[in-house]
Amino acid sequence: DTAVSQTPKYLVTQMGNDKSIKCEQNLGHDTMYWYKQDSKKFLKIMFSYNNKELIINETVPNRFSPKSPDKAHLNLHINSLELGDSAVYFCASSQIQGTGGYTFGSGTRLTVV
Amino acid sequence: TQLLEQSPQFLSIQEGENLTVYCNSSSVFSSLQWYRQEPGEGPVLLVTVVTGGEVKKLKRLTFQFGDARKDSSLHITAAQPGDTGLYLCAAYGSSNTGKLIFGQGTTLQVKP
Repeated sequence: DTAVSQTPKYLVTQMGNDKSIKCEQNLGHDTMYWYKQDSKKFLKIMFSYNNKELIINETVPNRFSPKSPDKAHLNLHINSLELGDSAVYFCASSQIQGTGGYTFGSGTRLTVV
Repeated sequence: TQLLEQSPQFLSIQEGENLTVYCNSSSVFSSLQWYRQEPGEGPVLLVTVVTGGEVKKLKRLTFQFGDARKDSSLHITAAQPGDTGLYLCAAYGSSNTGKLIFGQGTTLQVKP
């Protein structure tokens, strides 16, 4: 039973398209996150939600819009995809904001062509 | 901006060798975490160190938190091919928003 699950695992799409990535956690955690891992493997936070409330919104283009319908789900919608959006996107969750470790999903590899 | 700098970035060794990975910062942290990431998967938490000078062991892995809580090291004894992966240190930023900041990572390859 996967703790943090993301779909899809792979996403190949053309420039200009709109796409969504879904994330669900069954750990009962209050906080969920989206991270982007670039080609050099650097992990950078994009957004975090605590119990459906947006807490962190890093300097991310407004083409990226997170949505949290409930505390177990955090989706990421990307409009007008660009080549530079190609990366691996990770969803994560933690029990309490600001403490403890994160549990990560297995990632979504987005390739924009 | 708080930064975590890891060294080395890449390490390729033979099975049975020992190695140490370093994670340094100019900032003081209340705790520091180490993760391992395997290809095609997300990072998995290995350990959290909290107290300055603390040493934690996980089988052949030894983690140390610096006395001043600005740095940490991961030592692997008698590395195995199964230790291959990306090792990441991480710590919470000072903004109290729960933002976990990651180092750039150390890619370890252990050859049989």
